[in-house]
Amino acid sequence: KQEVTQIPAALSVPEGENLVLNCSFTDSAIYNLQWFRQDPGKGLTSLLLIQSSQREQTSGRLNASLDKSSGRSTLYIAASQPGDSATYLCAVTPEAGGTSYGKLTFGQGTILTVHP
Amino acid sequence: GAGVSQTPSNKVTEKGKYVELRCDPISGHTALYWYRQSLGQGPEFLIYFQGTGAADDSGLPNDRFFAVRPEGSVSTLKIQRTERGDSAVYLCASSLRALAGRVQFFGPGTRLTVL
Repeated sequence: KQEVTQIPAALSVPEGENLVLNCSFTDSAIYNLQWFRQDPGKGLTSLLLIQSSQREQTSGRLNASLDKSSGRSTLYIAASQPGDSATYLCAVTPEAGGTSYGKLTFGQGTILTVHP
Repeated sequence: GAGVSQTPSNKVTEKGKYVELRCDPISGHTALYWYRQSLGQGPEFLIYFQGTGAADDSGLPNDRFFAVRPEGSVSTLKIQRTERGDSAVYLCASSLRALAGRVQFFGPGTRLTVL
């Protein structure tokens, strides 16, 4: 059974700092990995999606890397801003070929607070 | 609408009661997913539909939980004889098709509280 773990559980940083969020998964047979953002009382917003054949993806100040063989991914946020404060979740999709390839397995999330 | 909508946004019920939670996916999305998120945890998969049929219901915790999507659009998650442990945020998502790599778009969730 796939298990996804995120470290740290919570992080508080001053504005402007660069930071790294970590995600690990136990089964490397994944099709892709996604990073989501969740704001209180709201749904999840997909930030970055990395296919299993890719090493990284970038969007603005965000950069996500994937090391499939070692079961790890990192989300790097450059020049953090108070508006980045949210819960960040990573999720993996199992390899295609079965009926379960549509479902996501999530980590428990990292609560990020960026203070002015 | 422009996104996935869920109703109600909040539901408070008493132990033993029956509840229905509704999800309206993005128009044209054939795949629909239900997840449950307990406090301080990530969402856990419950069930997903491709069209009208449940393609994978392996995440439903027990037979008190049931979901339908009769016309391939709106879905209803039904919980019988609710228990306090059912309290959580129930999230719905949709995608163009249930294919790996398709981004799932999430609704705001329904917060269920069982007293």
